Amino acid sequence: EPEVTQTPSHQVTQMGQEVILRCVPISNHLYFYWYRQILGQKVEFLVSFYNNEISEKSEIFDDQFSVERPDGSNFTLKIRSTKLEDSAMYFCASGGGAGTRTGELFFGEGSRLTVL
Amino acid sequence: GDSVTQMEGPVTLSEEAFLTINCTYTATGYPSLFWYVQYPGEGLQLLLKATKADDKGSNKGFEATYRKETTSFHLEKGSVQVSDSAVYFCALGGSYIPTFGRGTSLIVHP
Repeated sequence: EPEVTQTPSHQVTQMGQEVILRCVPISNHLYFYWYRQILGQKVEFLVSFYNNEISEKSEIFDDQFSVERPDGSNFTLKIRSTKLEDSAMYFCASGGGAGTRTGELFFGEGSRLTVL
Repeated sequence: GDSVTQMEGPVTLSEEAFLTINCTYTATGYPSLFWYVQYPGEGLQLLLKATKADDKGSNKGFEATYRKETTSFHLEKGSVQVSDSAVYFCALGGSYIPTFGRGTSLIVHP
């Protein structure tokens, strides 16, 4: 069964460092998302991506964040200068087969980011 | 804006007990509604969904009915098992950016 894969599963970094989280969405999906979940808190929407551009983003997704789909398969989230409060589990999701956007998402297992 | 409110957890039950996890939503229009489950150490996975009012989603013994009049989508299961221990997220979607509730942790004891 097709699945969304994410790497790394866990990354520890120093404050101020750049981090890139990688995702391989399901191949025939058209919509791609990043969410994050701070420990013990709710799953928060960061950004959605469609047709090679950002379609929507939340207030959390400030200038320190960027997304890219560099090669038609990977979908990356970059944090330019990490802060302590960026420590969270980051989930990639994809959805929407051709012609349909049902809101049903398929999630990866997450990348845990720890900023020291 | 759109939002989802779930009951606070954790919910602690004995095996074979009846489960209800409440979920209400606020949205303009008519979203689709979802329950996702997150088992320990794993990502979120879809448990069930309903796309219009009065639809009932069901899977693995879990059910939820889309109630437009009360803007609710409560999750129920008649007899829980230890393996149901997980965090359950109510979400709204459809043509909306999927929006998640805070999650409710369920702990089932033998």
